[in-house]
Amino acid sequence: QKEVEQDPGPLSVPEGAIVSLNCTYSNSAFQYFMWYRQYSRKGPELLMYTYSSGNKEDGRFTAQVDKSSKYISLFIRDSQPSDSATYLCAMRGGGSNYKLTFGKGTLLTVNP
Amino acid sequence: DSGVTQTPKHLITATGQRVTLRCSPRSGDLSVYWYQQSLDQGLQFLIQYYNGEERAKGNILERFSAQQFPDLHSELNLSSLELGDSALYFCASSASADMRTRGYTFGSGTRLTVV
Repeated sequence: QKEVEQDPGPLSVPEGAIVSLNCTYSNSAFQYFMWYRQYSRKGPELLMYTYSSGNKEDGRFTAQVDKSSKYISLFIRDSQPSDSATYLCAMRGGGSNYKLTFGKGTLLTVNP
Repeated sequence: DSGVTQTPKHLITATGQRVTLRCSPRSGDLSVYWYQQSLDQGLQFLIQYYNGEERAKGNILERFSAQQFPDLHSELNLSSLELGDSALYFCASSASADMRTRGYTFGSGTRLTVV
């Protein structure tokens, strides 16, 4: 079993839809959870960063972490064509070990 | 521009050859990370350096090596290249104080094609 599982999609939605992206993980030592967005032929860029369980909101983006279920989600409200990209979940343990373990990414297309 | 500079952007080379990928971190960042991204494996952590010293090692092959120089730039050396080494290689950097809010900053990557 991979440490982090993420449905690769692809996911295609109309503009304005609410998008839900998810990852599950098996390593209970993970404490920090991130979502990155990667446009084609570009490096990943950090969207959301959360510590432990709970919700975090930033504009149209909401990240949720449920450590008891080992499940994290990213919600995108009022999706825009510019949101079309690959979304990668990432996580790491505590302390000064900053190695990130990534999901394989979900390819999202938002159609005008 | 993320502030992390990777060169070259593209590299095509033959099997058995050796290449060097270069990374300049964001100004002030002491940590450099190397990741390999392929379609079947996703982003895989290779190695981390902090202020010139190796800090953590991931799934890095023995044919691969890296170092971080006193000016903090880093190089990833790939030798005895095989077709399966074809991938995107990303460098990222971070400052410890940024990790809770900014995480890593990635460069745009080097696309390596081994023919």
